[in-house]
Amino acid sequence: AQKITQTQPGMFVQEKEAVTLDCTYDTSDQSYGLFWYKQPSSGEMIFLIYQGSYDEQNATEGRYSLNFQKARKSANLVISASQLGDSAMYFCAMIRPGGVFGQGTRLTINP
Amino acid sequence: NAGVTQTPKFQVLKTGQSMTLQCAQDMNHEYMSWYRQDPGMGLRLIHYSVGAGITDQGEVPNGYNVSRSTTEDFPLRLLSAAPSQTSVYFCASRRAGPSYNEQFFGPGTRLTVL
Repeated sequence: AQKITQTQPGMFVQEKEAVTLDCTYDTSDQSYGLFWYKQPSSGEMIFLIYQGSYDEQNATEGRYSLNFQKARKSANLVISASQLGDSAMYFCAMIRPGGVFGQGTRLTINP
Repeated sequence: NAGVTQTPKFQVLKTGQSMTLQCAQDMNHEYMSWYRQDPGMGLRLIHYSVGAGITDQGEVPNGYNVSRSTTEDFPLRLLSAAPSQTSVYFCASRRAGPSYNEQFFGPGTRLTVL
């Protein structure tokens, strides 16, 4: 069975600061992928970034990067230069045909 | 290209009523899934399908049925609605194959059971 754990229910950050959202996972699969999604107050699920277990480099997408530590089974999302529009719920997930999601972290960016 | 569509957007049911949440995708994706999201929580997998005619249970399947007669459609049936099924329901689809294939979500259906 797979499990995703996000231990930060809420985070408060000043605008323009960097923020790290934690994600640890458990799986017996040798090959797997980890996804991060953003859910603003409007409710839609927005794909942010993906990391494969065999990728040699940490994934990056614009201001988003993933700090992937395979031995520790962690895949933390780093948002650089945070903006007010980054305020949202953030979910870490492992998706095969169906997905397993963490409980989420509510990120609030203060001006 | 509409992506993943869900109907209705909102629904109110009385305890014991049945209904079907509709989900369709036009991307020819093999995999489709249904999730529920309770307030302040993450998404939990109800049922999923890896192709037409093939479905399987997820983490919280009780009280729900699915079928997949075509690649495009994946309806979710509530057999006898209960207040505990009050939630937001998301349908999602993705292409089969490598794990990096993105999962696309529908806009969600907000269901209230009185």
